Amino acid sequence: GQNIDQPTEMTATEGAIVQINCTYQTSGFNGLFWYQQHAGEAPTFLSYNVLDGLEEKGRFSSFLSRSKGYSYLLLKELQMKDSASYLCAVRSRGSQGNLIFGKGTKLSVKP
Amino acid sequence: NAGVMQNPRHLVRRRGQEARLRCSPMKGHSHVYWYRQLPEEGLKFMVYLQKENIIDESGMPKERFSAEFPKEGPSILRIQQVVRGDSAAYFCASSPVGTNTGELFFGEGSRLTVL
Repeated sequence: GQNIDQPTEMTATEGAIVQINCTYQTSGFNGLFWYQQHAGEAPTFLSYNVLDGLEEKGRFSSFLSRSKGYSYLLLKELQMKDSASYLCAVRSRGSQGNLIFGKGTKLSVKP
Repeated sequence: NAGVMQNPRHLVRRRGQEARLRCSPMKGHSHVYWYRQLPEEGLKFMVYLQKENIIDESGMPKERFSAEFPKEGPSILRIQQVVRGDSAAYFCASSPVGTNTGELFFGEGSRLTVL
């Protein structure tokens, strides 16, 4: 089976850096995704990792360690608009393409 | 290029009625995925379809729920004899091909409330 764990909630200050961790267990890993979801809105794609290492995209970076079943999303220079839920999702080799999501981490950015 | 379109955005049904949710994928996308999201919960995979084919329905409840993606027209998620526990946001996503590399593009969701 598959299991994805991430913290339920986090709080950070505007302008700071925050790291959201995700651990996963899956049979046949084939990619890890991070999505952002504002309340009442559609999830939007942030990043994709399939090889170990860091992927950087502007203020957002995502890291993957396949041997540890671990990923993190790093958000720099936090802005109030970054307050949202951040969803970690895994694709397994036998999944035919669909993603399995964690419960999401609700990030609150305070002034 | 329009994104994934879902309708209705909000639907209210009484227990025992039927709910039909529609999803038009992004232009050029031929694969559709349906997810359910309960309040404060993650997205739960329900079903993955290509045109006229159900590829994976491992997340679909065995009774009352069905999905289709006809050759012409949108994909439809149908819930018969709704119960209060069906109240949730139902998200549709699409991808260009059923590869294991691309991300899924999500619609705005259909919020079902069962009274």
